[in-house]
Amino acid sequence: GEDVEQSLFLSVREGDSSVINCTYTDSSSTYLYWYKQEPGAGLQLLTYIFSNMDMKQDQRLTVLLNKKDKHLSLRIADTQTGDSAIYFCAEITIASKLTFGTGTRLQVTL
Amino acid sequence: ETGVTQSPTHLIKTRGQQVTLRCSSQSGHNTVSWYQQALGQGPQFIFQYYREEENGRGNFPPRFSGLQFPNYSSELNVNALELDDSALYLCASSLATNEKLFFGSGTQLSVL
Repeated sequence: GEDVEQSLFLSVREGDSSVINCTYTDSSSTYLYWYKQEPGAGLQLLTYIFSNMDMKQDQRLTVLLNKKDKHLSLRIADTQTGDSAIYFCAEITIASKLTFGTGTRLQVTL
Repeated sequence: ETGVTQSPTHLIKTRGQQVTLRCSSQSGHNTVSWYQQALGQGPQFIFQYYREEENGRGNFPPRFSGLQFPNYSSELNVNALELDDSALYLCASSLATNEKLFFGSGTQLSVL
């Protein structure tokens, strides 16, 4: 079956690192994605990782994938107030569709 | 390179009416997918179109239908609107199926 789970809320101080976690169930996923959604806006593709990789780094973003545990995480270094948003992880299945988690709301405090 | 554009941005309809939402895909993209995002939820897959043919459908009733045109733009039609159809409808385009999806800003539909 397909199910993607995320914690609902994360609060961090500006300048600290944020870690957003996600678990998924479909072991046939080829790619896993992180999207960002700001209030009243669509989804912005932040980064993605291929299922045969363990880690991917892209500037302030680091994605870690533990395929055995079906666990994905997104680390944002030096978190800024502009990073406040809802973050969705998503897996792509054989039906060419993305299955999204319920999203993690990241709040950045001063 | 133009992004994904959707129209209208907001729409108010009453129960039982019909609605058409429109999407222009990113330049060079031949695949369009539609998602429904209810308040406080993640987006749910409605269907995908590839080269004018439906290529996969989620768990939505037949009153949700779509079209893709030769220029790869797309429409989502919903008949006999219900209150629960109130949501943000997101269109995404990709270079091909199973490729990265790039989303538009969505159409906020309210059904009264």
